[in-house]
Amino acid sequence: QVQLVESGGGVVQPEGSLRLSCAASGFTLNSYGTQWVRQAPGKGLEWVAFISYDATNKYYADSVKGRFTISRDMSKNTLYLQMNSLRPEDTAMYYCATIADYWGQGTLVTVSS
Amino acid sequence: DIQMTQSPSSLSASVGDRVTITCRASQGVSTHLAWFQQKPGKAPKSLIHSASILQRGVPSTFSGSGSGTVFTLTISSLQPEDVATYYCQQYDSSPLTFGPGTKVDIK
Repeated sequence: QVQLVESGGGVVQPEGSLRLSCAASGFTLNSYGTQWVRQAPGKGLEWVAFISYDATNKYYADSVKGRFTISRDMSKNTLYLQMNSLRPEDTAMYYCATIADYWGQGTLVTVSS
Repeated sequence: DIQMTQSPSSLSASVGDRVTITCRASQGVSTHLAWFQQKPGKAPKSLIHSASILQRGVPSTFSGSGSGTVFTLTISSLQPEDVATYYCQQYDSSPLTFGPGTKVDIK
C-alpha cells in the first residue's frame, strides 16, 4: 500500500520555525523525484520545493528560497521541509507528493501572533 | 519561469456531457505535464502523467493529450463524482509551476 503521511504542522509565531515530515511507505523515496506543495485557504496549488530521486538536485520557489530547506533521510524513508523565518503568508496546507504520482493528506501550518 | 494558464476557469455541464479543459505553457515542456483532481476538503489526486498516461485506477472516461505548449484534459462522460477542481503542473524545469485550476460543476 503506497502511502505518504505528513506531520509537523501547527501554529507558530512570525519569524518562528517548523520542520515538516513526510513518511513514505510502499515504495522508496530514492525511486522518485519528490516535492512539497502548499495551498493557502481558498487558493490554488503552489509549488514550494523539489528534490531529485538521487538527492543531487534541490530547487525552491522564489517565495521560500533562503528560508526553507528540503531534505530526506533514506534510513527512515522520510522527506523533510525545514521552514525558518516563517511569515503569515506561509499559512497553508502543506502536501508532499512524488512528481506526478502519489500525494499525502497534508499538514496545516498557521503563522500568526 | 514557465507560466501555466488554464481555460476555462470554471464550467458547468450536464451529466454525460463531454468536457475539455485546456492547459497552456508559456514555453515548451515536452510531455512533462501532469493533471490532478482535487475535491473540496481533500488532497489532490493524480490523474495523468507524461501528458497522456492515465494513472492506475483512474476511470477511462479521463484522457489527456498534447505536447510542447498546449495540453488538454478530457472527461468523455461527466459524472457527479467528477465535481472537483482540476490542475495541471509542468515538471520540465524549475520552478515546477501549476495552472490556476478549473472548477467543474454539474448543471
